[in-house]
Parts: sequence; structure tokens; C-alpha cells
Amino acid sequence: EPEVTQTPSHQVTQMGQEVILRCVPISNHLYFYWYRQILGQKVEFLVSFYNNEISEKSEIFDDQFSVERPDGSNFTLKIRSTKLEDSAMYFCASSRERFAGELFFGEGSRLTVL
Amino acid sequence: DQQVKQNSPSLSVQEGRISILNCDYTNSMFDYFLWYKKYPAEGPTFLISISSIKDKNEDGRFTVFLNKSAKHLSLHIVPSQPGDSAVYFCAARIKNTDKLIFGTGTRLQVFP
Repeated sequence: EPEVTQTPSHQVTQMGQEVILRCVPISNHLYFYWYRQILGQKVEFLVSFYNNEISEKSEIFDDQFSVERPDGSNFTLKIRSTKLEDSAMYFCASSRERFAGELFFGEGSRLTVL
Repeated sequence: DQQVKQNSPSLSVQEGRISILNCDYTNSMFDYFLWYKKYPAEGPTFLISISSIKDKNEDGRFTVFLNKSAKHLSLHIVPSQPGDSAVYFCAARIKNTDKLIFGTGTRLQVFP
């Protein structure tokens, strides 16, 4: 069964460092998303992406964050200068259609900012 | 942000019995509701969904009920199996947006 894959599974970084989280969405999906879950809190929407541009972003997704699809398969989330409060599990997801609701999530990348 | 609420943090059910997980919402602009299941160290897995124009959707052992007047939905699992033990998230989508808003989750434990 096709799946969304994410790397790394866990990254530890120092505050102020740049981090890139990588995702390979399901191959015939056209819509891509990043969500995050801070420990003990809800899963929160960060951004959606289609046709090489951001479709929608939340208030969390400020100038420190960016997304890119550098080639035909990868979808990346970059945090320019990490803060302690960026520590969370980051989930990539993809879907075949927009507004489909049925998102396929990866296993997540745990980011720990020290 | 309390637009989607799951008031029971945990539920324990005997194998073979029915599990009922509940979810309340406040936003009338939600047009689509979903249930996701999550095991530790994995991402959420889609289970079942329902459009706001329906009141019931069934898929095998899983049935979701939507009561729009009460702004309430529930997930019924029958019969419950030990492999159903996981955290269940209710999620809702605002019409014509990409954003899913998740509840805090209910941890279901199915014991033999």
C-alpha cells in the first residue's frame, strides 16, 4: 500500500539553527500538507500546498517557516531559526483531491529544540 | 481553540462490546467530519468520514453518526477488538478550506 514517508524520524537541534524536514508524498497525490502536534496538545494545521504554491496557511506558519517541492517527489518544511516552542511532532500528509478530508499522514518527524 | 471537543480523554471497553466515542463542535461552517486513529509513533490513519448533509455513514464495524442540531458526532465500533486500542481523533473541516481542526483525542483500550 502506498504511504507517505518522512525523514528524519527524530532531529535534535540547538535553538536558532535551521532545520529541514523532508517528506515523500504518495506519488499520484497532488495536495500536500504539514501539521504539527506539540506534546500533550492537539494536532494543528500549518500549511497546504498545491501546484508549487501555498494554498492556505495558519497563523502558526509565520516567516520562520517555508515549504518547497524541490523536485517531483520531495516536499520539505524548513524552519529558519528554531525556537524552543517549535519542539513538536511534525506530520506531513497528502491527498488526491482538494477539500477531500481524507488525508494520508506520514509517521511524523519529532523535532527537539534545545 | 475549542471548536472541536472530545470530552472523554479515555475509554475502556471489553472485547466484543460496542465502543462509542463522542465529539462536539461549535462551528456551523464545518461541512465535513472525520475520525482518525493513531497508534504510538505513527501518524494518524483515516478511519471514516461524514458529510454535513448526512446523518450516518457506515463502513464495516465502524459507524459515524452526525447530529447537526446538537453539533455532536459519534463513532461506534462494534464489535470492539483488542487491535482497536489506539487514540481516536475527531476532526472537522471548514467549508472550502484545506484546514482540518482536530479534537484532543480519546484513548480507547479494548481488553479481552
